[in-house]
Amino acid sequence: GDSVTQMEGPVTLSEEAFLTINCTYTATGYPSLFWYVQYPGEGLQLLLKATKADDKGSNKGFEATYRKETTSFHLEKGSVQVSDSAVYFCALYGGTSYGKLTFGQGTILTVHP
Amino acid sequence: GAVVSQHPSWVICKSGTSVKIECRSLDFQATTMFWYRQFPKQSLMLMATSNEGSKATYEQGVEKDKFLINHASLTLSTLTVTSAHPEDSSFYICSARRSQGGQPQHFGDGTRLSIL
Repeated sequence: GDSVTQMEGPVTLSEEAFLTINCTYTATGYPSLFWYVQYPGEGLQLLLKATKADDKGSNKGFEATYRKETTSFHLEKGSVQVSDSAVYFCALYGGTSYGKLTFGQGTILTVHP
Repeated sequence: GAVVSQHPSWVICKSGTSVKIECRSLDFQATTMFWYRQFPKQSLMLMATSNEGSKATYEQGVEKDKFLINHASLTLSTLTVTSAHPEDSSFYICSARRSQGGQPQHFGDGTRLSIL
């Protein structure tokens, strides 16, 4: 079945540091890939997405590239802010779990001033 | 667009009571809604998939008599936790899928349920 594996957290960074959160997936076919962000006490918000190989999703300074050859979708940001502190979830849609999102375990990011 | 409203955002109640959580799609019709449960510092666990006008499909290990789901209209689904106990305390999140659009699901802000 489909699965998503994220790097384990928590990740703690200083403001303006470079961020990478690794995400790899296992799925048949050609799934779409997503990064969601969850701020404390809230639901999930879509951060960015990519629907086919080599697509790059970007939003709010975050980027991720759909790499089919390495089955990866790593999240990056060049300079994090305190307001980026949240939980980040990598997810895929469209594999064998038709109609459902398959989530990674989430990575807690804390950014200190 | 594509706003999903979940109500209440926080509920505290005594053990043995039943609690109803509402999930509404405010500006689109949602033929399918999803209910998730999230434990502290963990990922979302899909509980059930709800299609308008039909019975919900529950994931393995989720008690359908415990977690009653109703999806009576294209904009409203409800989750009722029956005879709630402290172990049912959790963060419950709904999502809704619109027939067209770039996202598979739009999420509500969640409901924090605390059973005393």
